[in-house]
Amino acid sequence: EAEVAQSPRYKITEKSQAVAFWCDPISGHATLYWYRQILGQGPELLVQFQDESVVDDSQLPKDRFSAERLKGVDSTLKIQPAELGDSAMYLCASSFTRDSEAFFGQGTRLTVV
Amino acid sequence: LAKTTQPISMDSYEGQEVNITCSHNNIATNDYITWYQQFPSQGPRFIIQGYKTKVTNEVASLFIPADRKSSTLSLPRVSLSDTAVYYCLVGYTNAGKSTFGDGTTLTVKP
Repeated sequence: EAEVAQSPRYKITEKSQAVAFWCDPISGHATLYWYRQILGQGPELLVQFQDESVVDDSQLPKDRFSAERLKGVDSTLKIQPAELGDSAMYLCASSFTRDSEAFFGQGTRLTVV
Repeated sequence: LAKTTQPISMDSYEGQEVNITCSHNNIATNDYITWYQQFPSQGPRFIIQGYKTKVTNEVASLFIPADRKSSTLSLPRVSLSDTAVYYCLVGYTNAGKSTFGDGTTLTVKP
């Protein structure tokens, strides 16, 4: 069964350092999402791509977060500089179209110390 | 997007049927209702989606009354492995544009 791949699974970084997460969506999925999930809460959408274009980044803290999907396939989410409050699970999801079911990866657990 | 309200937690025993109700008083005409399941340290997994009346698949049923202001996820004969957080989402057909609440933590006991 095809899956959304994310790496790394776990990341520990010091505050003020830069950190990056990678996501490889299911082959053929044009829509890609990045979420942040704080422990005990539901996932919060950060950014949505349609192919290589950002269609919604209204909840992305743009002063420190950036996301790209240069060739419309895999994607990278970056935080620079990381802050203690960024500790969370970062989830990637993809769907075939904007209106079809979203499939989630296993996430990257970030701890900022 | 419509706000949803779910119980914070529920307990059940193996073999029982579990019903989790979600309130969504401000649901819009074009909104769908979607349920996701999430295990610790994993991403959410789609369970079921519906618009009205009843939808059933191999793992769950979704009951939606005529006014669509609430919905009930029904899990038949739960097992220990059904212990997870269950999220009710209201909005687009794809959960990517809907809003996750804080979910219901279901604990199944032996």
